Amino acid sequence: AQSVTQPDIHITVSEGASLELRCNYSYGATPYLFWYVQSPGQGLQLLLKYFSGDTLVQGIKGFEAEFKRSQSSFNLRKPSVHWSDAAEYFCAVAPGNTDKLIFGTGTRLQVFP
Amino acid sequence: EAQVTQNPRYLITVTGKKLTVTCSQNMNHEYMSWYRQDPGLGLRQIYYSMNVEVTDKGDVPEGYKVSRKEKRNFPLILESPSPNQTSLYFCASSFGGGPEAFFGQGTRLTVV
Repeated sequence: AQSVTQPDIHITVSEGASLELRCNYSYGATPYLFWYVQSPGQGLQLLLKYFSGDTLVQGIKGFEAEFKRSQSSFNLRKPSVHWSDAAEYFCAVAPGNTDKLIFGTGTRLQVFP
Repeated sequence: EAQVTQNPRYLITVTGKKLTVTCSQNMNHEYMSWYRQDPGLGLRQIYYSMNVEVTDKGDVPEGYKVSRKEKRNFPLILESPSPNQTSLYFCASSFGGGPEAFFGQGTRLTVV
């Protein structure tokens, strides 16, 4: 069965530091891959997506993610974190040409000034 | 503005009292779905609909019903809510044939 693993439940970084959130998926072929962010009390906002092509994708708010087929990973990165980036981040996959999203359990990011 | 609108945003109810959470989208999307979000579990799909009058179970459908009589609306019905349905619920829609989903703001449901 398809699954998504976000091994870090909670990450704390200082403002201005770099960030990498990990995501691994289990699927036989290359799925569609997504990162969503959920700010406190808000819905989910799409940060970026990977369907095909260039394995390094740019998203909103200065985020990027790199798809690595050999590692079944789609890690999210940001070179310099801002206090407003504090939120919960979800990695999701959509197996094949379907509309269903399978989510990881989320990583809560805390940013210290 | 393209959006998915859920109502209500917050709801406290008692065990067994039927309730409906509404979801409406203005993007003419074919695919709509409901998810519940629980701590440590992420989001799990409850039901989905690929078009009008076409619905199917997701991963955690027990205790829920849905209907899709119009393309824009996809209400979630809890006929007899129980405390284990206390959760944060999200409605989502997408065009169909591609999974980029737009999410509503969420409905926080508490069943006492």
